[in-house]
Amino acid sequence: EVQLVESGGALVQPGGSLRLSCVASGFTFSDYSMSWVRQAPGKGLEWVANINEVGSQEYYLDSVKGRFTVSRDSAKNILYLQMNSLRAGDTAVYYCARGRSWTDYWGQGTLVTVSS
Amino acid sequence: EVVMTQSPATLSVSPGERATLSCRASQSVRSDVAWYQQKPGQAPRLLIHDASTRATGIPARFSGSGSGTEFTLTISSLQSEDFAVYYCQQCDSWPPYTFGQGTKLEIK
Repeated sequence: EVQLVESGGALVQPGGSLRLSCVASGFTFSDYSMSWVRQAPGKGLEWVANINEVGSQEYYLDSVKGRFTVSRDSAKNILYLQMNSLRAGDTAVYYCARGRSWTDYWGQGTLVTVSS
Repeated sequence: EVVMTQSPATLSVSPGERATLSCRASQSVRSDVAWYQQKPGQAPRLLIHDASTRATGIPARFSGSGSGTEFTLTISSLQSEDFAVYYCQQCDSWPPYTFGQGTKLEIK
């Protein structure tokens, strides 16, 4: 059974940093691109970043470029999202998802709240 | 950036009836559209990819159609578990792979 389990969400002050993790199981992690998608409270879905199967290519939403970094550890089957210089507008549930564009499995999400 | 516009924002349909949800792209995205279902407190669930291919385990009452800029998700006979929010997503042009704003399907 494919499972994606996110962690690392928290309340953080503007300008702060967080690292989200997503542990993958039930499939060959190194065979798939992976993505992060976020959803602000009561709002729709927004693609944030993705990374290819071997971790050599990354793509970012313009508003997070230079602040967020997606990475992966295929030995541990973990996807990461390092978030720096956080802003109030980054407040959302962050989902990791399997796939580069359309995504067929999603984690349950982890909540990031940016507030003073 | 490709803008995806869904209509209507809210659709009220009775169980057993047919529901038709629309999604329009601001430029051609070929057939690179996916549809997701999201229930309150849950992660999105992939229903359709490549405009008309049902994802694994998705019932046949869900069907997708369209190409270019106009896309449709049809649910042929609504079941109680189908009442949710539905999102379309274009997968043709990055960055980013944009979503529509969602259509809430509610019980009439």
